[in-house]
This record gives sequence, C-alpha cells and structure tokens, in this order.
Amino acid sequence: DTGVSQNPRHKITKRGQNVTFRCDPISEHNRLYWYRQTLGQGPEFLTYFQNEAQLEKSRLLSDRFSAERPKGSFSTLEIQRTEQGDSAMYLCASSLEEGGYTFGSGTRLTVV
Amino acid sequence: GENVGLHLPTLSVQEGDNSIINCAYSNSASDYFIWYKQESGKGPQFIIDIRSNMDKRQGQRVTVLLNKTVKHLSLQIAATQPGDSAVYFCAEIGGATNKLIFGTGTLLAVQP
Repeated sequence: DTGVSQNPRHKITKRGQNVTFRCDPISEHNRLYWYRQTLGQGPEFLTYFQNEAQLEKSRLLSDRFSAERPKGSFSTLEIQRTEQGDSAMYLCASSLEEGGYTFGSGTRLTVV
Repeated sequence: GENVGLHLPTLSVQEGDNSIINCAYSNSASDYFIWYKQESGKGPQFIIDIRSNMDKRQGQRVTVLLNKTVKHLSLQIAATQPGDSAVYFCAEIGGATNKLIFGTGTLLAVQP
C-alpha cells in the first residue's frame, strides 16, 4: 500500500446521470476526507469519516451527494442526477492523526 | 467565515533564484498550518508544516515562516528549480474534525 488510490481517474458523464467514485485510503488510516476542487481554486471540504462514521458534512454536499465508508476502509462518493456545475476534481485524503494527510490523485468529473 | 488567502496568484522566477510565496489567514485560533504543492493532474503533495508555537521551520530547500501577530505565512524555496513549477497552497487545520481549509493557490512558474 503505497498511497491513497482513487478510481476512476477521469469520468465523463451526461447531465442527469449518476456517478460513483471510489477512494482506497492508506490501510492503517482511520480518517478519510473528500474534497472538491475547481480550476484555479483550492480544494473545498465535502465530508469526513472517522472509521465508518460520517462525522461532518459540508453544506456544499447537497442531497444529490452521498458518501459511504461501510467497513471503515474504502469510501465511495455518489452524485445523483449530475449537473454541469458538478464538473470538478474530486479528491480523497486520509490520515492517521492530525497532520499526516495523504491525498490521492483525484477523479476528474466532466458533466456534458 | 474563516478563510485562508494568498497575496499573489502568480509568481514567475528565474531558475536558481529564491522564491517566496505568501499567505494570510484570518482565524487567529488556528494552531497548525501546512504548505502543499500541486502539479497538474495530481493531488496536493505535502511540503512542510508548522505549528503556532513556532515561527520558523526548515526543510530541504524550503522554509516556512509564521507571523502570528499579522496572521501571515510564507514559504521560501531556495535555488528554485524547474521541477518546483506548480501551484502552491497554504492550508490551516480547522474544526473539530481537523479538516484542511485551503486558500486559492499561487502558481509558481520557473523560467530556465
């Protein structure tokens, strides 16, 4: 396990379709974060898991977005009824304790 | 709300020169800061961190300075190389879940 893995790397979807992204964190990391990044901006926090519990959700996470981490290992982020405004890079990060964050390479979503 | 911002969106330097990237933060209660480097198509990569009980920390070719009086951070890169070309973000740790709060980034362009 050499880092945080995100799949797919790229996703092009038609408006209105559902998409799901996967994040595999570093195996011993109990904390997992999802961020969204648009061009020229810094990543924006979406949601946080500690083990399998989702402990914080940003108001950016509308009801079309849902995230899970069922066994406290990998996590999925689903977007339903995608809109063009959902086009962004979706980043996952994991950590064992404060400061030891490792980011994945992200999933770039394009909604056409 | 709280935010972290950057003074200069783009910085162009000659190879071999020293680079200084600045960042202002607004939450005086923040006690932990991280600088990240992000190359095109990749996730943010940890460079160096600093806690509020320090005012300077050095790494390999990089130095972070923290001025709590004026709520200012800077990242100094010595002998800048073409491989240093990237977008640099400062981030603070915020909230009970220790999420990262990013600024908008500075693009560092190293001219050969």
